[in-house]
Amino acid sequence: DAKTTQPPSMDCAEGRAANLPCNHSTISGNEYVYWYRQIHSQGPQYIIHGLKNNETNEMASLIITEDRKSSTLILPHATLRDTAVYYCIVRVWVPTGNQFYFGTGTSLTVIP
Amino acid sequence: KAGVTQTPRYLIKTRGQQVTLSCSPISGHRSVSWYQQTPGQGLQFLFEYFSETQRNKGNFPGRFSGRQFSNSRSEMNVSTLELGDSALYLCASSLRTGTYEQYFGPGTRLTVT
Repeated sequence: DAKTTQPPSMDCAEGRAANLPCNHSTISGNEYVYWYRQIHSQGPQYIIHGLKNNETNEMASLIITEDRKSSTLILPHATLRDTAVYYCIVRVWVPTGNQFYFGTGTSLTVIP
Repeated sequence: KAGVTQTPRYLIKTRGQQVTLSCSPISGHRSVSWYQQTPGQGLQFLFEYFSETQRNKGNFPGRFSGRQFSNSRSEMNVSTLELGDSALYLCASSLRTGTYEQYFGPGTRLTVT
């Protein structure tokens, strides 16, 4: 699985869009980009994933560059409850074996 | 639909003892994975069970073991506890084995004294 690089921390004003970047320059064609977040002392929460097209769900949008070497998770209107550590994970799709390797992530603080 | 549940939520054990943690996956999910989270090492994969068989194992000693029952519920066991085993133990379920999104439980906070 390709390595990912994320900034260790970011701040965002409440109500503004939070844009969390992730670099995965060694990603290969069959690797998906997954995003999870972990609010303090809780289990990680699945947010979204994608292969090459941009994806949107009720929680967030995922923008993947055309060369797939980087992506951005967008929380459109950040709230205080979005304060968490956000993990970007690149994972090849395999029919067996479901382990995800979590790095250190980005600690997002939403400021009132 | 109910989420992943883990019991107990908190546990205090003494060095040398053993402990068993339980995980009930989301209804219909057949894969259960276990992770250990510590401040120093972060989230680390322990093992995955699917159809009552261990499918993958992380880099942990043999003191860490698990099993899965026919109803997909899973247990993990740690024998001969060490102080370094103090951690948050997280269980995650997914529909099946393979690269499917995982849904995590709240975790069991284990403290070894």
